Amino acid sequence: SQQGEEDPQALSIQEGENATMNCSYKTSINNLQWYRQNSGRGLVHLILIRSNEREKHSGRLRVTLDTSKKSSSLLITASRAADTASYFCATDANSGNTPLVFGKGTRLSVIA
Amino acid sequence: DSGVTQTPKHLITATGQRVTLRCSPRSGDLSVYWYQQSLDQGLQFLIQYYNGEERAKGNILERFSAQQFPDLHSELNLSSLELGDSALYFCASSLEGQGYEAFFGQGTRLTVV
Repeated sequence: SQQGEEDPQALSIQEGENATMNCSYKTSINNLQWYRQNSGRGLVHLILIRSNEREKHSGRLRVTLDTSKKSSSLLITASRAADTASYFCATDANSGNTPLVFGKGTRLSVIA
Repeated sequence: DSGVTQTPKHLITATGQRVTLRCSPRSGDLSVYWYQQSLDQGLQFLIQYYNGEERAKGNILERFSAQQFPDLHSELNLSSLELGDSALYFCASSLEGQGYEAFFGQGTRLTVV
């Protein structure tokens, strides 16, 4: 079963607007990662945030983590048509040898 | 290019058949993961290997098996194939087990007819 769950399932915005995606998870984690997938292709790693971090930036990406609420958000600022993709959060739980578990993703459409 | 190579890219086979998907991880990575992605579904974790040994297992069907070889490449074997097994199968690798980013291959698209 999925550990992370992204919200919304789909998001459509105009180019230049900001896009915010959320991820909720169920168990304690070591870290949380965000990945991007262009249609039918392999996933590409965007950013990793550790459980003791609250916010992280990478270019136009800003990720926050609230371990008390078991949630994370990914903000893409000044979106571009090329940002159109599915975005997934992935967690590895803080117990034993747990694998990287993905949610179902948010499908982002950026309209030029 | 992620450095992870999956072959073949596409595979069409009949129900009841057996296929083998191959994955070469990124140089230096010890951990290999296999995922299944069906239409409109997220990535379902199948199995993870670390340095030749099975480390974690997801909801992998008994008809499916995998192994990681001494040179660290991995194979996923799918047998007695059913229509519902049609999906994208991804391999990913990471330096260690937990706490590291995973690098994904481009996937094998399996179609069972």
